Amino acid sequence: ETGVTQTPRHLVMGMTNKKSLKCEQHLGHNAMYWYKQSAKKPLELMFVYNFKEQTENNSVPSRFSPECPNSSHLFLHLHTLQPEDSALYLCASSQDYNGVAEAFFGQGTRLTVV
Amino acid sequence: RKEVEQDPGPFNVPEGATVAFNCTYSNSASQSFFWYRQDCRKEPKLLMSVYSSGNEDGRFTAQLNRASQYISLLIRDSKLSDSATYLCVVNIGSSYKLIFGSGTRLLVRP
Repeated sequence: ETGVTQTPRHLVMGMTNKKSLKCEQHLGHNAMYWYKQSAKKPLELMFVYNFKEQTENNSVPSRFSPECPNSSHLFLHLHTLQPEDSALYLCASSQDYNGVAEAFFGQGTRLTVV
Repeated sequence: RKEVEQDPGPFNVPEGATVAFNCTYSNSASQSFFWYRQDCRKEPKLLMSVYSSGNEDGRFTAQLNRASQYISLLIRDSKLSDSATYLCVVNIGSSYKLIFGSGTRLLVRP
């Protein structure tokens, strides 16, 4: 079993749909992240939660809405997405040890918006 | 200027070759540095952290040059299985704000 689990692995949705991505970490970490990876672009940091508090929102459009009910679970609620939002969405978790936090990733959700 | 910059490659090398990648970062206050590896259509996985004194893990050596704000990764005796994209990662501000470079693609040929 991987330390960070994401569901679903693949998702196709229309522009008027509402869907949610789920992430669960079993590593006892206190921070969780959402990253977006589009084709031929670097990973883009979207959100960071530390002890359930959002500490980073990297100018993400409001059609992406994160939720962190506890330090083990992270959701990304999606609504009225655009085709250019099609990408691989990666969840990660980390734990700060003396100012260093290595991120461990889930396998990602490959999202296609039609 | 991008926060983290890498040469996208690809670096096409024969098995057994030594290859080196560099990465530059813009924030002089950064404290955490990592190299990640990403295989095609897979998630990134931590390859190694980069420490101020430099560190080695088998065939892989990482170096940090704070004065010039770059980190490097050296791979000796390349294997076919080393073919992947290597991502440079730097924290910006808090230890939790990890910014990824666009990656350097390595192709090791027989």
